[in-house]
Amino acid sequence: ETGVTQSPTHLIKTRGQQVTLRCSSQSGHNTVSWYQQALGQGPQFIFQYYREEENGRGNFPPRFSGLQFPNYSSELNVNALELDDSALYLCASSLGLAGGFREQFFGPGTRLTVL
Amino acid sequence: SQQGEEDPQALSIQEGENATMNCSYKTSINNLQWYRQNSGRGLVHLILIRSNEREKHSGRLRVTLDTSKKSSSLLITASRAADTASYFCATDYTGTASKLTFGTGTRLQVTL
Repeated sequence: ETGVTQSPTHLIKTRGQQVTLRCSSQSGHNTVSWYQQALGQGPQFIFQYYREEENGRGNFPPRFSGLQFPNYSSELNVNALELDDSALYLCASSLGLAGGFREQFFGPGTRLTVL
Repeated sequence: SQQGEEDPQALSIQEGENATMNCSYKTSINNLQWYRQNSGRGLVHLILIRSNEREKHSGRLRVTLDTSKKSSSLLITASRAADTASYFCATDYTGTASKLTFGTGTRLQVTL
């Protein structure tokens, strides 16, 4: 059983550019959540995908968008990058949404730096 | 926005001592979880306590929950250098882990 993987590990972009981050969920998991963690802060929920549909969104502007593929891997896209988008982006996978707690398993994150 | 705050923001102890960190949150929850993060990397789930539970143990970890005060504490007993990390509490309103709201974290340093 493979864990959650993310790519790339590090990324440097300039303001105004666009970026795509990728996440492969743990085997058998059909739900992926994305979080943004600024330096010295706790992670903040961006959005979640369940069976290729967005299922909940945090307080992030529309330039943050996502996608989930039939194999349940996911992408996070950020357009028109701003300096404040510099952060660690974490994805987490879990199994299903129906009733009761489903533990989320986190990937190692992608460190994005916007210059 | 963050759900709440951990207290203290930073804690430095010696190996063998106990470490206690607290978490406060703002609204009603279904469960509260504690996570550990090493060096700004991925989060590792430590323990979950449901809103109808008051205390839970897992190995050297003890978690308490006081819903009347909207607070929780994490106790790590007999700490080790390998426990050095940031610890976050996260609340779940839905009970399905669909959206975790994290606190600001406590940075724990355990020295030899």
